[in-house]
Amino acid sequence: GAVVSQHPSRVICKSGTSVKIECRSLDFQATTMFWYRQFPKQSLMLMATSNEGSKATYEQGVEKDKFLINHASLTLSTLTVTSAHPEDSSFYICSATGQVRTEAFFGQGTRLTVV
Amino acid sequence: QKEVEQDPGPLSVPEGAIVSLNCTYSNSAFQYFMWYRQYSRKGPELLMYTYSSGNKEDGRFTAQVDKSSKYISLFIRDSQPSDSATYLCAMIRGGATNKLIFGTGTLLAVQP
Repeated sequence: GAVVSQHPSRVICKSGTSVKIECRSLDFQATTMFWYRQFPKQSLMLMATSNEGSKATYEQGVEKDKFLINHASLTLSTLTVTSAHPEDSSFYICSATGQVRTEAFFGQGTRLTVV
Repeated sequence: QKEVEQDPGPLSVPEGAIVSLNCTYSNSAFQYFMWYRQYSRKGPELLMYTYSSGNKEDGRFTAQVDKSSKYISLFIRDSQPSDSATYLCAMIRGGATNKLIFGTGTLLAVQP
């Protein structure tokens, strides 16, 4: 299957700081990338959809000013959690799909802990 | 009613058993169907991808889609302890969107 690399895998930050998470498609052009949040023992919750070169589309209830998404190229999308608070602590996962491949491939996930 | 329904389990089976995982859906617009396996604290891994009714086999895994009944299944033969994970079904409507709609996931434990 295709490879999607997500970095970092784990990050601990202080409350009030910002954290950037990168998602790269290594062997295909990702026209669409998705960002999810997952709480323990729960399924993935879609936060936003980003198409290359366009503004991200956020799901209801997700603060776009807090979760900044950039998808400037066909291989890279970033999620920045701004002014992080302990309630933002979670597992964040990206996935990518291409024009040719409709199935989605996931990154390894990033465990964010805000202290 | 959720668009995709999946029994969360947990499902516990002995090693070597045949495992049957299922999802039902309500929207007939779904065209693409996937099964993902997710180990604890890891991203989901794509296991099977189908886009038509019928069966698709890959090693010990068989995916089955019945569009008329809006029902999909994943069968795991000769289950192994390493198969212990959460299994998520996912669907795409197709068209302009590639947005995945997930089931809640079924937690599977294969006992040695």
